[in-house]
Amino acid sequence: DAGVTQSPTHLIKTRGQQVTLRCSPKSGHDTVSWYQQALGQGPQFIFQYYEEEERQRGNFPDRFSGHQFPNYSSELNVNALLLGDSALYLCASKIQGAGTDTQYFGPGTRLTVL
Amino acid sequence: AQTVTQSQPEMSVQEAETVTLSCTYDTSESNYYLFWYKQPPSRQMILVIRQEAYKQQNATENRFSVNFQKAAKSFSLKISDSQLGDTAMYFCALPNGQNFVFGPGTRLSVLP
Repeated sequence: DAGVTQSPTHLIKTRGQQVTLRCSPKSGHDTVSWYQQALGQGPQFIFQYYEEEERQRGNFPDRFSGHQFPNYSSELNVNALLLGDSALYLCASKIQGAGTDTQYFGPGTRLTVL
Repeated sequence: AQTVTQSQPEMSVQEAETVTLSCTYDTSESNYYLFWYKQPPSRQMILVIRQEAYKQQNATENRFSVNFQKAAKSFSLKISDSQLGDTAMYFCALPNGQNFVFGPGTRLSVLP
């Protein structure tokens, strides 16, 4: 049973650049959420995708955008990178309507902005 | 708004002993789930245990158990027979619509 996978593992960018992070959900899952985790803090919700649409969004600027593909995989795009975007980006997946709200997380992508 | 508080930034415990991590929360929902996740240095967020609010019986998963006090909005995690591999950040989480609200975490160190 394949778990949630994310790529790349690490990424280094400079201010002003754009980045794309990728996530494949756990087998059988149809909903993907993205979280940003700054060093020493708990994860903060960015947005969630279900049926290829953004269903809910946290308090993040429009520089953060996403996409979900027909195979349920997802991308997170961040434009005009700022130093403050340096963080661990976590992807989580679940089955919509399963009733338990349980989300399963990937290993994360560590983004460093110089 | 849903909020989650973990008042212990760091804790340590001797191997084989028992430790309890605290979590309090606020929600206007009447039925909900609560979760504890573990994040070791490898960064992978791993589900430890979950509790459904309408169930009076506290959840148990092997060495991990919870003390759920719904009226007090308290959800503590007890780790029995602590092992070196339990060293990690522990996060309490509460669903908020389609996503989770996480507490700030407790860093647990298990000492040999």
